[in-house]
Amino acid sequence: DSGVTQTPKHLITATGQRVTLRCSPRSGDLSVYWYQQSLDQGLQFLIQYYNGEERAKGNILERFSAQQFPDLHSELNLSSLELGDSALYFCASSAWGGPSSNSPLHFGNGTRLTVT
Amino acid sequence: GENVEQHPSTLSVQEGDSAVIKCTYSDSASNYFPWYKQELGKGPQLIIDIRSNVGEKKDQRIAVTLNKTAKHFSLHITETQPEDSAVYFCAAFTSYGKLTFGQGTILTVHP
Repeated sequence: DSGVTQTPKHLITATGQRVTLRCSPRSGDLSVYWYQQSLDQGLQFLIQYYNGEERAKGNILERFSAQQFPDLHSELNLSSLELGDSALYFCASSAWGGPSSNSPLHFGNGTRLTVT
Repeated sequence: GENVEQHPSTLSVQEGDSAVIKCTYSDSASNYFPWYKQELGKGPQLIIDIRSNVGEKKDQRIAVTLNKTAKHFSLHITETQPEDSAVYFCAAFTSYGKLTFGQGTILTVHP
């Protein structure tokens, strides 16, 4: 068990809808990362938050947004959903502001999103 | 930005054999290289990592080597067991950027 908790495990919704994915980092970790995993794209970095502030941004669509709350949990909001948004969404956490041997990324077990 | 290429995409070995997975990266500023193992229905799990100031690191049956000049790094698994079967990902990190993953290698260890 990595200590990173993601809810829900599965989510099925229709095109055009909006969903929220939740992540609780490992105890003491200040950084939260969101990744999207699809069969043809591998693990794609979306966004990172460190202690409540946005730290780095990847290939995150404008329809997607995220935030990290004072208790350090994070939410990823996906809106105007399209069929192509169906994927596994992973949250990871690390102790400090960037991955390193002293602050490795630990992943949760993901949320499987299916858009119909 | 950083680009990480991983080979092979699939690898099939007999139990007890060694397995080697290779990755190349493009950004010479990358300084941290972790390897992850992902089992079905689970998230990636860190199995070993190496920093750019180290050439080799070993942890029991798993070892990683790094060649900074050639910008490639490799994962070596010795005495493979069926429970080693999984998808393996390499990754590279630059201090100002993001952790970029390779496309993954599906390792199958046959009993």
